[in-house]
Amino acid sequence: KNQVEQSPQSLIILEGKNCTLQCNYTVSPFSNLRWYKQDTGRGPVSLTIMTFSENTKSNGRYTATLDADTKQSSLHITASQLSDSASYICVVSAISNFGNEKLTFGTGTRLTIIP
Amino acid sequence: NAGVTQTPKFQVLKTGQSMTLQCAQDMNHEYMSWYRQDPGMGLRLIHYSVGAGITDQGEVPNGYNVSRSTTEDFPLRLLSAAPSQTSVYFCASRMAQASGNTIYFGEGSWLTVV
Repeated sequence: KNQVEQSPQSLIILEGKNCTLQCNYTVSPFSNLRWYKQDTGRGPVSLTIMTFSENTKSNGRYTATLDADTKQSSLHITASQLSDSASYICVVSAISNFGNEKLTFGTGTRLTIIP
Repeated sequence: NAGVTQTPKFQVLKTGQSMTLQCAQDMNHEYMSWYRQDPGMGLRLIHYSVGAGITDQGEVPNGYNVSRSTTEDFPLRLLSAAPSQTSVYFCASRMAQASGNTIYFGEGSWLTVV
């Protein structure tokens, strides 16, 4: 069964500090991995998407890494801001025999930035 | 562009009532889908559509109905609401079901069934 596990479940850091969120997956056959940011009471918003051949992708202060061999990804946030307080969701994609994309969602890491 | 628009934002239903959650996108996307988000669980796929007139079941389709008469609209119908359907519902769209396309989500619909 395809699974995506995220850690930690929640994290509190001081404004200005860096942090790293983890995503481990058992999804086969792997196609791509996405990171989403979900503000409280809002829908998820795309941060990055990485394919098998990409091991790093940045979006401003967000940098995602992918190790397809160990089936791990991380999301690093640099110089955190209060607006970074949100849930961060890892989504891993597999391709079915018919060429359809099947998504498996993690439960998210709840990040709180305190001033 | 408005992106993906969902209505209503909040709804309270009594057990057994029916209702429709509306979803519209203005990006001319072929692929649309409905998810539910429950505490401690990842988003789960309810139904999806790869184009007008074509729909299919996802992971948790029971108790829900969909139709896709136009490219823009993809309503989700609850046939006879049950407390187990209390959840947050998200509509999503993307260019096609091909791998790697950005998925755009609506702002969510909070549904409580009492």
